[in-house]
Amino acid sequence: NAGVTQTPKFQVLKTGQSMTLQCAQDMNHEYMSWYRQDPGMGLRLIHYSVGAGITDQGEVPNGYNVSRSTTEDFPLRLLSAAPSQTSVYFCASRRMTMARSSYEQYFGPGTRLTVT
Amino acid sequence: GESVGLHLPTLSVQEGDNSIINCAYSNSASDYFIWYKQESGKGPQFIIDIRSNMDKRQGQRVTVLLNKTVKHLSLQIAATQPGDSAVYFCAEIHSGGGADGLTFGKGTHLIIQP
Repeated sequence: NAGVTQTPKFQVLKTGQSMTLQCAQDMNHEYMSWYRQDPGMGLRLIHYSVGAGITDQGEVPNGYNVSRSTTEDFPLRLLSAAPSQTSVYFCASRRMTMARSSYEQYFGPGTRLTVT
Repeated sequence: GESVGLHLPTLSVQEGDNSIINCAYSNSASDYFIWYKQESGKGPQFIIDIRSNMDKRQGQRVTVLLNKTVKHLSLQIAATQPGDSAVYFCAEIHSGGGADGLTFGKGTHLIIQP
């Protein structure tokens, strides 16, 4: 299994540009999510999905869109990039059960985004 | 302990010594806790978890201790090795904690001295 993969690893955008960060997992996990990680702060949830066709907002959703057309893929779209969106973005997946033990999340390697 | 500012707290230990990393959590209703390890340039990696009905759980070279009275969590790493150098952070889960219930701490940077 490749686990959770993310592309690209690095990206530089100009203010106002749009782009899509790709995320894929091959573990047949129902739950997928996007986080951003900024210096001195913990991971903050942007959007998440509990299955194909279902998405919901996290803690910091503004400026981002997601879709989940398949179980495997969960792309994150930046609609009009702003310098405040400079961050490292992590995608994660896990099984979706009611058991607390299902919170063992698998994270991708991250995408480092700089918006100038 | 966990950082509240821009800089992560740092713990420096000698190779072979034991490390103890601390985390103060915020919500007394949290019922599940996780420790993650994040190496430079990589995504977080699950280390160990503990439910709130336990006060100790052991894994391979790692032990997590939970003190619900003072809302404190610690991660002990035995016989620290160079590969243990990373940022370690805890996460708590409670029904009101964010959209998916997970709240992450800010992390402690563990540095291993040769």
